[in-house]
Amino acid sequence: GEDVEQSLFLSVREGDSSVINCTYTDSSSTYLYWYKQEPGAGLQLLTYIFSNMDMKQDQRLTVLLNKKDKHLSLRIADTQTGDSAIYFCAESMGSGNTGKLIFGQGTTLQVKP
Amino acid sequence: DTGVSQDPRHKITKRGQNVTFRCDPISEHNRLYWYRQTLGQGPEFLTYFQNEAQLEKSRLLSDRFSAERPKGSFSTLEIQRTEQGDSAMYLCASSLPDTPKAPFGPGTRLTVL
Repeated sequence: GEDVEQSLFLSVREGDSSVINCTYTDSSSTYLYWYKQEPGAGLQLLTYIFSNMDMKQDQRLTVLLNKKDKHLSLRIADTQTGDSAIYFCAESMGSGNTGKLIFGQGTTLQVKP
Repeated sequence: DTGVSQDPRHKITKRGQNVTFRCDPISEHNRLYWYRQTLGQGPEFLTYFQNEAQLEKSRLLSDRFSAERPKGSFSTLEIQRTEQGDSAMYLCASSLPDTPKAPFGPGTRLTVL
């Protein structure tokens, strides 16, 4: 069945780059997403990439998509303490319905000063 | 545009009681989604509406759960005879068809004692 997997924890020093990785299974996904969730808060959409793109850059965020390997990554440049949160990778289920998502279990990013 | 809103933000109930949550989508969005997020996990899709029609229900949505969107605007999610396993964050999102963004509301955190 459809599944999204992420590593559970990443620790970096302030100012370093962070790379969070994700693998997914549904090759028909139209979009792939990265969400951020701070403690006790809702989900904040960080960025998304259309499935026919390889890369998308948005300020400090770079998303890389390897469709052949079904691998998605999020790079955060110059990581700040305010970036400490849980990051979720998600894929849209099938084509067309972009609000219906499968999420990974989340990667906790810890940024040390 | 005030975004997706949910009410209440927190609900504590005793096992066996019924609870109802409300979601108000972004005004022009005709699609509305419900998700459930348990501690340490990513959100899981429950159901979605297009206008007032409930188009899909996950197998996670047992017979004790019912969702409605009577006028195609706000939606309610009712859980009957709550169980401790129902304790979770219930999230709502809305979108326009075939657009990549489906903003999430802040969620309703349910605790069943």
